[in-house]
Amino acid sequence: AQTVTQSQPEMSVQEAETVTLSCTYDTSESNYYLFWYKQPPSRQMILVIRQEAYKQQNATENRFSVNFQKAAKSFSLKISDSQLGDTAMYFCAFMKFFSGGGADGLTFGKGTHLIIQP
Amino acid sequence: DAGVIQSPRHEVTEMGQEVTLRCKPISGHDYLFWYRQTMMRGLELLIYFNNNVPIDDSGMPEDRFSAKMPNASFSTLKIQPSEPRDSAVYFCASRRAGTGGLDTQYFGPGTRLTVL
Repeated sequence: AQTVTQSQPEMSVQEAETVTLSCTYDTSESNYYLFWYKQPPSRQMILVIRQEAYKQQNATENRFSVNFQKAAKSFSLKISDSQLGDTAMYFCAFMKFFSGGGADGLTFGKGTHLIIQP
Repeated sequence: DAGVIQSPRHEVTEMGQEVTLRCKPISGHDYLFWYRQTMMRGLELLIYFNNNVPIDDSGMPEDRFSAKMPNASFSTLKIQPSEPRDSAVYFCASRRAGTGGLDTQYFGPGTRLTVL
């Protein structure tokens, strides 16, 4: 079974600053994806970014980017030019997929509460 | 598209009562997932279905929990009898089968269950 660890329960930064959220995972699987989800106070789960493990290039979505270190099993999220609306819980998640096209459910870390200060 | 629909959004019940949570996945999605979120345990996968068939129910905590998917557009998660420790937010999510399972899981708004 895989595990996902987020070692920062809470982080606080000033608006417009850059912040990096850490995530490490442990797995013996070779076919998997990694995700970051955002959960604002509304509790809706929103996909921020995803990374295919077989790709060496780090994924980027606008102000959000990841640093994927496969050998180290590390998957950090960088938020540039942080905004007040980025205040939320952020969850790192792992998903195993199968050669036939199917995939498992998500395994989540415990989350990091990110607070953007005005 | 209406997204994943869950009902009710909030449920308050007394210990020992039966609770049924409902989910309507996004049309055309082949997979449906039930998750539970608590402060102590975080987000946990309870069970998931592929084409209405349960694939992995290893996350279902006890026999008091059961889930069904009678057709492609409806699923239920039932707790009978309910206990205070079942209080949590229950999420339903769905996704379409895709190459390598790349397709995103889309989450419903969740049902906040409180068992008194």
